[in-house]
Amino acid sequence: QSVLTQPPSVSAAPGQKVTISCSGSSSNVGDNYVSWYQQLPGTAPILLIYDNNKRPSGIPKRISGSKSGTSATLGISGLQTGDEADYYCGTWDTSLNAWVFGGGTKVTVL
Amino acid sequence: EVRLVQSGGGMVRPGGSLRLSCVGSGFTFEDYDMSWVRQAPGKGLEWVSGINWSGGSTSYADSVKGRFTISRDNAQNSLFLQLNSLTAEDTALYYCARDGLLWFGDLFTAHYLAYWGQGSLVTVSS
Repeated sequence: QSVLTQPPSVSAAPGQKVTISCSGSSSNVGDNYVSWYQQLPGTAPILLIYDNNKRPSGIPKRISGSKSGTSATLGISGLQTGDEADYYCGTWDTSLNAWVFGGGTKVTVL
Repeated sequence: EVRLVQSGGGMVRPGGSLRLSCVGSGFTFEDYDMSWVRQAPGKGLEWVSGINWSGGSTSYADSVKGRFTISRDNAQNSLFLQLNSLTAEDTALYYCARDGLLWFGDLFTAHYLAYWGQGSLVTVSS
């Protein structure tokens, strides 16, 4: 059981938008910045969003992040077949003194 | 270009030991906190351990505390994970990761995992 809760899967047609939620508590999401990671099949994860809503260089503007209270959200608009991957949220947990991940969400492009 | 190149994975019997290595290049290695993250077959990401920039502070997931030891050699731009008393539940792909924030804290704190190694497969089987 992961400390952060994500839906197991989301799907949408090409060109549409998906959102992925990440629910935590006051000791993790509520108290620290959230980051998001994309893991394409058979590859290492890459950073998509950091500090709740910032994109590293090279990440397109159609990728967005937000946070409110103890929940964070990743948005992917203009969905492409290349977006089919697993997505993870992560943050520091102040009570556990450890980094925690969500269980991951599989994005399927219909 | 930031690179993290890993080595040291393999197959080991239950109760055995293994040492993973991760060499960083393209950045000032001693300036950043580092972490190890693992992924069991078909499962999600699990943070395992972290170490601050100087090596003076470490942190572990409860699942590995007392069995795994993280260390670093800044002179060799290297990060290590010593895995002892291994069980089948430790079978996973292990990734090293560099923190994204330039942060010279006395205590290890991960901010975000900006760069990842290619992974080292550890298989524990009799």
